[in-house]
Amino acid sequence: AQSVTQPDIHITVSEGASLELRCNYSYGATPYLFWYVQSPGQGLQLLLKYFSGDTLVQGIKGFEAEFKRSQSSFNLRKPSVHWSDAAEYFCAVGALTGRRALTFGSGTRLQVQP
Amino acid sequence: DAGITQSPRHKVTETGTPVTLRCHQTENHRYMYWYRQDPGHGLRLIHYSYGVKDTDKGEVSDGYSVSRSKTEDFLLTLESATSSQTSVYFCAISSGDLEAFFGQGTRLTVV
Repeated sequence: AQSVTQPDIHITVSEGASLELRCNYSYGATPYLFWYVQSPGQGLQLLLKYFSGDTLVQGIKGFEAEFKRSQSSFNLRKPSVHWSDAAEYFCAVGALTGRRALTFGSGTRLQVQP
Repeated sequence: DAGITQSPRHKVTETGTPVTLRCHQTENHRYMYWYRQDPGHGLRLIHYSYGVKDTDKGEVSDGYSVSRSKTEDFLLTLESATSSQTSVYFCAISSGDLEAFFGQGTRLTVV
């Protein structure tokens, strides 16, 4: 069975500082990996996805993520955080076999200090 | 935004009553999903559908049923609501490539 671990429940960074959100997955075959963002009271919006190829993936809003197979990780990064980035971030893993549904981590809530 | 509409957006119901949540899409996507979101648990899959009348269970399906009689509609029914089903429910759709588009959610409170 596939699973996702987001070790950090809550992170606070200062505006302008760099950000890294951790994601570790467990899956036997090649995973398909996603990062979603959720603003308060909203649905989830896709930030970026990894299917294959280049292990460094660029997304929207200046985010990027790096797939590291040896570490079973897919960490999300941003070089300079803006106050509008405050939200909850979810990592997810899926497969193109079976039910084709995403398995989500428990999320990391990002707070941005002025 | 993908054409996904969830209704109602908010509902308060009493323990033991049946409740039906509706998800309507205009994207003609084959796959539809119901997730629940609870603090500390992220999103957990309740049921999903891979076509009209084709549905299957997710990890937390006990106490829930679904139906999909048309491509565009996916209904989630709580057969007899319990307080543990107080949650935010999200519908999602996908063409099958795993990229999921989410609705705005339904906040359900069972009192």
